[in-house]
Amino acid sequence: GQNIDQPTEMTATEGAIVQINCTYQTSGFNGLFWYQQHAGEAPTFLSYNVLDGLEEKGRFSSFLSRSKGYSYLLLKELQMKDSASYLCAVSDSNYQLIWGAGTKLIIKP
Amino acid sequence: EPEVTQTPSHQVTQMGQEVILRCVPISNHLYFYWYRQILGQKVEFLVSFYNNEISEKSEIFDDQFSVERPDGSNFTLKIRSTKLEDSAMYFCASSKTVASGANVLTFGAGSRLTVL
Repeated sequence: GQNIDQPTEMTATEGAIVQINCTYQTSGFNGLFWYQQHAGEAPTFLSYNVLDGLEEKGRFSSFLSRSKGYSYLLLKELQMKDSASYLCAVSDSNYQLIWGAGTKLIIKP
Repeated sequence: EPEVTQTPSHQVTQMGQEVILRCVPISNHLYFYWYRQILGQKVEFLVSFYNNEISEKSEIFDDQFSVERPDGSNFTLKIRSTKLEDSAMYFCASSKTVASGANVLTFGAGSRLTVL
């Protein structure tokens, strides 16, 4: 079966760095997405990786290792507004998105 | 910035009633989706729609569900006879393409359905 694993919840301090991991087992791979979802709101796109390596976009970076079926989202200089759920999603061989359950990130002052 | 709009934002209905949720995707997008998210749970794929027909659907999307694009702009999800377990946030999404990295989904703000 297809599976995406991420930690359920993480806590970090304002101004610090946090890494949210995602491992996946899917039938085929056409890229991995990270979305941010604030409570009660729609998911919004953060990043897309299809090749191995690190993609940096401001305070957020996303890493992919296809051989390990592994990705992480790195958030630097954390702000209170970064408190949200972070969803990992993989596009499979049929280009269908397989979603993880999301990681709830709690930022403390 | 273009956005996906959904109506209603919140609907309360009695079990067994029919519900229609409406979505206006981004105008130059070709692929449309419905997802649902039960409170506190993961986002679940329901159905994708392309070229005026369903392209993929999940096991959740059974005979009580249907989708339609009645005109050039609206994309609707109909639940024929609602059940208590249909209570969820329903998200509409659209994308330009599917078979490439440009398949970034833009989500609407969601329609929260409460079945009593």
